[in-house]
Amino acid sequence: GENVEQHPSTLSVQEGDSAVIKCTYSDSASNYFPWYKQELGKRPQLIIDIRSNVGEKKDQRIAVTLNKTAKHFSLHITETQPEDSAVYFCAASIGGTGGFKTIFGAGTRLFVKA
Amino acid sequence: KAGVTQTPRYLIKTRGQQVTLSCSPISGHRSVSWYQQTPGQGLQFLFEYFSETQRNKGNFPGRFSGRQFSNSRSEMNVSTLELGDSALYLCASCLTNFEVHEQYFGPGTRLTVT
Repeated sequence: GENVEQHPSTLSVQEGDSAVIKCTYSDSASNYFPWYKQELGKRPQLIIDIRSNVGEKKDQRIAVTLNKTAKHFSLHITETQPEDSAVYFCAASIGGTGGFKTIFGAGTRLFVKA
Repeated sequence: KAGVTQTPRYLIKTRGQQVTLSCSPISGHRSVSWYQQTPGQGLQFLFEYFSETQRNKGNFPGRFSGRQFSNSRSEMNVSTLELGDSALYLCASCLTNFEVHEQYFGPGTRLTVT
């Protein structure tokens, strides 16, 4: 069945350093890849997404890359700040006019040390 | 615009009982998805509804069911509750039903089964 593997499960970085989270998906029909940030006790929030026909997307300090051939996609956070500390989830979604189904990775707990 | 709302926020039930959770999407959003979030399993897709029709379903037993009303509000029902059903149940609403489907999550209902 569909599966999304996410690594690492925990990541600790110094403030100002970069953080990279990697995901692999199994279903080649996946065509949309969102990333969510979930702070403790709060709901997941969409931070960036990428479509299957795009290789890279950037939004200020956050960037996402997609390698469809290898079924890999990654989140890059530069110049990390303490407020970036949270759990980050990648997801692979199969969607179209007939609806969609989103499979999430297990999450990465990011600690940014001041 | 008001965000996604879920009621109740907290619920305690005993094994064997049934429970109904409610989700009101963002105004204008016609797609609603449900997820189960647990520390061990992460975010797992339950089902997706659009215009009162279930279009996709995850790998959950038949005890988990849902429906959507004409105003896009959705409910999910879990019958014959088991201890393992204790989780945070999140719903997410989405504006578009095409390839890019940005989902906005509600605050969740925390269900505890004793």
